[in-house]
Amino acid sequence: KAGVTQTPRYLIKTRGQQVTLSCSPISGHRSVSWYQQTPGQGLQFLFEYFSETQRNKGNFPGRFSGRQFSNSRSEMNVSTLELGDSALYLCASSFRFTDSRISGANVLTFGAGSRLTVL
Amino acid sequence: AQSVTQLGSHVSVSEGALVLLRCNYSSSVPPYLFWYVQYPNQGLQLLLKYTSAATLVKGINGFEAEFKKSETSFHLTKPSAHMSDAAEYFCAVSGSSNFGNEKLTFGTGTRLTIIP
Repeated sequence: KAGVTQTPRYLIKTRGQQVTLSCSPISGHRSVSWYQQTPGQGLQFLFEYFSETQRNKGNFPGRFSGRQFSNSRSEMNVSTLELGDSALYLCASSFRFTDSRISGANVLTFGAGSRLTVL
Repeated sequence: AQSVTQLGSHVSVSEGALVLLRCNYSSSVPPYLFWYVQYPNQGLQLLLKYTSAATLVKGINGFEAEFKKSETSFHLTKPSAHMSDAAEYFCAVSGSSNFGNEKLTFGTGTRLTIIP
């Protein structure tokens, strides 16, 4: 089956612009998470969406936002771009367990990422 | 709060030698632990996961990891390194006790170099 698809793979923006990244999860997966990867900060959790609702959020400013559509596809948006937003943005999908006792055992399947460069 | 610490940002081993990548976790609840691998210009691929079923976990590509509660460790090993193992490896932890606590907290990564 098809994996997690992220578009675009590479993009270049200038400071002050905004960007929208897209993620199509594996068929049947209803949870989508976003992570930012930078050399300095490593992998950091941005947010998670499940059934079109944000379920969990990391420590990022309000310039970072996301949404999920009824078909589970997700987008994240970064407004007023800063140089420090240059990063690899990774999307991951999972089949989210509804039993809270084992929900942490969800396996995330990652896409190849969208590499954003801010000039 | 949960966290993982990966000892050694760079590890070099000779082809055919033992691979040992270290990970120690900190968690106030029984954790779920994962090892992911990232090849250049790619996303993360799951190698293996620990979910309390067995302390010795076997993963893909000949890797395995042992959960040691007394040492709060989850080190990754492979008996014989192959050139194709050169990549960056991430240890990660997630919570198990609360719904909505599925986010992964990653370590800083270990870059593995294989010497021919």
